[in-house]
Parts: sequence; structure tokens; C-alpha cells
Amino acid sequence: GNSVTQMEGPVTLSEEAFLTINCTYTATGYPSLFWYVQYPGEGLQLLLKATKADDKGSNKGFEATYRKETTSFHLEKGSVQVSDSAVYFCALRDSNYQLIWGAGTKLIIKP
Amino acid sequence: DAGVTQSPTHLIKTRGQQVTLRCSPKSGHDTVSWYQQALGQGPQFIFQYYEEEERQRGNFPDRFSGHQFPNYSSELNVNALLLGDSALYLCASSSQGNYGYTFGSGTRLTVV
Repeated sequence: GNSVTQMEGPVTLSEEAFLTINCTYTATGYPSLFWYVQYPGEGLQLLLKATKADDKGSNKGFEATYRKETTSFHLEKGSVQVSDSAVYFCALRDSNYQLIWGAGTKLIIKP
Repeated sequence: DAGVTQSPTHLIKTRGQQVTLRCSPKSGHDTVSWYQQALGQGPQFIFQYYEEEERQRGNFPDRFSGHQFPNYSSELNVNALLLGDSALYLCASSSQGNYGYTFGSGTRLTVV
């Protein structure tokens, strides 16, 4: 079945460091891929998405590229800020319109 | 423009009781999906409603049921509550053919 695997957290970085959160998926067909962010006490917010191979999603300095050959959608940011501290979820939308989620990666940015 | 509204925000129930959670979708959206998010976990898909019918269902028992009304709002009902039903319940709305899901802030259900 379809599944999403993302790196375990927490990931702790200093401000202005480079961020990578790994995400790989297993799916039939060509799912759409998403990164969502969840700030403490809040719901999920769409961060970025990609709908086909080689698409690059980007938003607020975050980027992720849909790599079909490696079935990956790694999240990157060149210089993180304290305000980026949150839980990040990788997800895919399957052919039945369901969102399949990774377990989430908690990101902690220290000043 | 209001986003997705969920009520109540917090709820405490006793084992064996029944609960109803409510969701109003974002303006212009006609599809509502419900998710259960246990502490420290990713969301798990419960079911999705479109045109007042359940379109898809995840791996949840029949104790979990739902409804969608003509104005696209939705309810999630859980009967015979178990301690393990304690979680954040998220509602997401979308429009058919559109990839954008908008999530509400959730209802935190605690079963004691």
C-alpha cells in the first residue's frame, strides 16, 4: 500500500543553519506530494506541494523537488529562523483523494 | 474569508459516551475530510464526504460515523468512546479537482 516515511526528530539546529528533512514515499501511480507544517497548538498548514515528477514546490524559503527516480520529496531551507520551529509533515495524495501522512518531524531552532 | 471552523475546540468525555464534532468548510469548498491525530503521530484518514455521501473511508470501526449537510458542513460522530479515541480530530476541506486542502485547528478530545 501507499506510505510515507520521513526522518525521525527532533531535529535541532542553530539559527541560520541549512535544513534538510528527508521524505520518501511508496505509491502506485503518480501521487501529488505535500509538505505541511503544524505550529504548537494549531492545525496543519500547507507549506508547499508538487504534482508531477521534477516539479519543485517552494514557499517562505522552503523548497522540495519531486524525485520520481528516488521516490523522494526532501524539504530544504537555506537559512532557518527561530520562527520555523514546528512539526513538519510529508504527505501524498493517492488516487482515491486520500492524504497519506508521514509521522512528522519536530524541528527546533535555537537562537 | 473564514477558513475551516471546527467546534468545540476541546472536549472531555467519559468512556462509553458518544460525541459529535462539527466542521464548517472554507467558503467555496464542497468536500470535507476527517482525520484523527494521536499525540506525536501523523494524521490518520477517517473518511471523506462529498455531495452528502461518504466517498472514502479509512481503517476505522463503525463506531465512527459522519454526515454532510446541504451547506457542505459536516459532523463526525463517535459512539461507545474508548480511552484510545483520545486525540486531535482535524477537519480538512477542499474543492473537487483542486489539490488544496485547508485544515481547521482541530478538536482536542480527551476520553477519561
